[in-house]
Amino acid sequence: TQLLEQSPQFLSIQEGENLTVYCNSSSVFSSLQWYRQEPGEGPVLLVTVVTGGEVKKLKRLTFQFGDARKDSSLHITAAQPGDTGLYLCAGYLNSGYALNFGKGTSLLVTP
Amino acid sequence: EAGVTQFPSHSVIEKGQTVTLRCDPISGHDNLYWYRRVMGKEIKFLLHFVKESKQDESGMPNNRFLAERTGGTYSTLKVQPAELEDSGVYFCASSQYTDTQYFGPGTRLTVL
Repeated sequence: TQLLEQSPQFLSIQEGENLTVYCNSSSVFSSLQWYRQEPGEGPVLLVTVVTGGEVKKLKRLTFQFGDARKDSSLHITAAQPGDTGLYLCAGYLNSGYALNFGKGTSLLVTP
Repeated sequence: EAGVTQFPSHSVIEKGQTVTLRCDPISGHDNLYWYRRVMGKEIKFLLHFVKESKQDESGMPNNRFLAERTGGTYSTLKVQPAELEDSGVYFCASSQYTDTQYFGPGTRLTVL
């Protein structure tokens, strides 16, 4: 059973455009993380959100955790070709140390 | 500081053969995790070591998979005998405490 649903699965945009990636679940997560993965590499952590309603910014990336801690979003402003990659959301349920991943959003930003 | 390393990067074997994957965590990290991504699916948790002890192996698919971490340093994941559905990318991750997990580059396993 897939706990985290990510959308869209694929996204192709032009440089300078804005985009939002969504991560939704019916389960409550103690924390939720966003990763970025490049081909041939493992996921690299971008941010962790812990508190419901929390918003974190990382340069042009804005991450939000839903009030009920069941969903999250990643917004990229003025996307650049260097933002191209696979974006994964993952979360910890209230018990255990296993990360539960979404399938990922494959982003392509063209010049 | 070296990151998590995995060996081999790619393995191609025939159904019924045995394969052993190795993971070297970041030095000093007591927690070591194995994950797997099969084609079209999300990355899934396999098991979690704390030092040399298996803390949680609830994600192990079946008894053809054996993970060890003798001495609490590197870990191996053996698949014996391998089946077609075992193909995928196997990731190892480590953490000092139960916080940020640092992932290795993965081992791509292809079972023919």
